[in-house]
Amino acid sequence: SAVISQKPSRDICQRGTSLTIQCQVDSQVTMMFWYRQQPGQSLTLIATANQGSEATYESGFVIDKFPISRPNLTFSTLTVSNMSPEDSSIYLCSVELPPNRGVWYEQYFGPGTRLTVT
Amino acid sequence: ELKVEQNPLFLSMQEGKNYTIYCNYSTTSDRLYWYRQDPGKSLESLFVLLSNGAVKQEGRLMASLDTKARLSTLHITAAVHDLSATYFCAVGSEYGNKLVFGAGTILRVKS
Repeated sequence: SAVISQKPSRDICQRGTSLTIQCQVDSQVTMMFWYRQQPGQSLTLIATANQGSEATYESGFVIDKFPISRPNLTFSTLTVSNMSPEDSSIYLCSVELPPNRGVWYEQYFGPGTRLTVT
Repeated sequence: ELKVEQNPLFLSMQEGKNYTIYCNYSTTSDRLYWYRQDPGKSLESLFVLLSNGAVKQEGRLMASLDTKARLSTLHITAAVHDLSATYFCAVGSEYGNKLVFGAGTILRVKS
């Protein structure tokens, strides 16, 4: 399996501000993903972050609102910009391990960042 | 566009009973996942199913996959209170490793 950490674990932010969430993995992975889980809802993919290339965003998510960095194979950040109360959610990063680290196609999730925007 | 439907959305069970959660998906996929989420926690990987007819079991949970019917089931045998959680199925998009999640099934096991 993979050990994934996220910082911060939770935050309360004022509307109009931005928050950067960090995701750290204990081994090198090619693909990292960022998901959003709105209160009481399922998970929705925001973007896929591959090292050395621009993140790929899903429909309904744009780079200006959710800029992502992927400076190396163990780290990524997601910024939630110009926040509004509708951005209050849990944000989770996930990784897919290469086949020599476990089950082929296994995807693991970080502990999540619980964001409340007031 | 890949869509994933899960049912039931809420399941209240008595301890010791059996039940099944269903996961239907709309387009071809080569992978299906089951996750468990406890309140305030992240997702715990339960099963990864990669081929038609795949069956995996862990304790009181058994998952199966029928790719022709585009259907996966998560069967709970002799439920215990500790199984109370939200269970999600997720299907891998054919355009890479992206997962599309079902709405989740909230399972409550009553003593």
